[in-house]
Amino acid sequence: DVVMTQSPLSLPVTLGQPASISCRSSQSLVYSDGNTYLNWFQQRPGQSPRRLIYKVSNRESGVPDRFSGSGSGTDFTLKISGVEAEDVGVYYCMQGSHWPPWTFGQGTKVEIK
Amino acid sequence: QVQLVESGGGVVQPGGSLRLSCVASGFTFSTYGMHWVRQTLGKGLEWVAFIRNDGSNEYYADSVKGRFTISRDNSKNTLYLQMNSLRTEDTAVYYCARGDFSWGLGTMVTVSS
Repeated sequence: DVVMTQSPLSLPVTLGQPASISCRSSQSLVYSDGNTYLNWFQQRPGQSPRRLIYKVSNRESGVPDRFSGSGSGTDFTLKISGVEAEDVGVYYCMQGSHWPPWTFGQGTKVEIK
Repeated sequence: QVQLVESGGGVVQPGGSLRLSCVASGFTFSTYGMHWVRQTLGKGLEWVAFIRNDGSNEYYADSVKGRFTISRDNSKNTLYLQMNSLRTEDTAVYYCARGDFSWGLGTMVTVSS
């Protein structure tokens, strides 16, 4: 199974400042079709997860452009260009290139300092 | 818009059974594979099972293989998860999710004596 490792696990951020979350996979996530199926999810307190980013860098409809995804192979990053209060929650990366199983990172808790 | 509404959760003793349901609306259910994903309280996300759009193939996490069965009724726009031989470690919020990981609200399953 592909192991997804996120860092940091806790990220206190000042409002308006940037934030960056790293996600590493135990093997390359490049699929046989040439795509890389790496997703990022946001889970706000008391809510279900919501997909923010798919295939490394594609934002879902309605996701603010302060969220961006990048990376390749085994190293991926989610960046928030300027954290807002509504961004508080837990962020998960998930791979869908080598399934089953689909596997998630441990989650990174973003909070306001 | 996509709506997924889970039901059937509750409290059950170890060794018992439960059947979860997920009613879908807002999209053509029969054209999407569907997942079950669970989240233990205060912890991360674990993929549980997947079924193809036509029900032709099912996939399971090793932790539930042989105990859980995923199924669907496309005429009723409904996804199911039959859970047998439940263990305390199966205690979690269970989410259904569309193949592209749009999520439902979740239903709580507690396995306790």
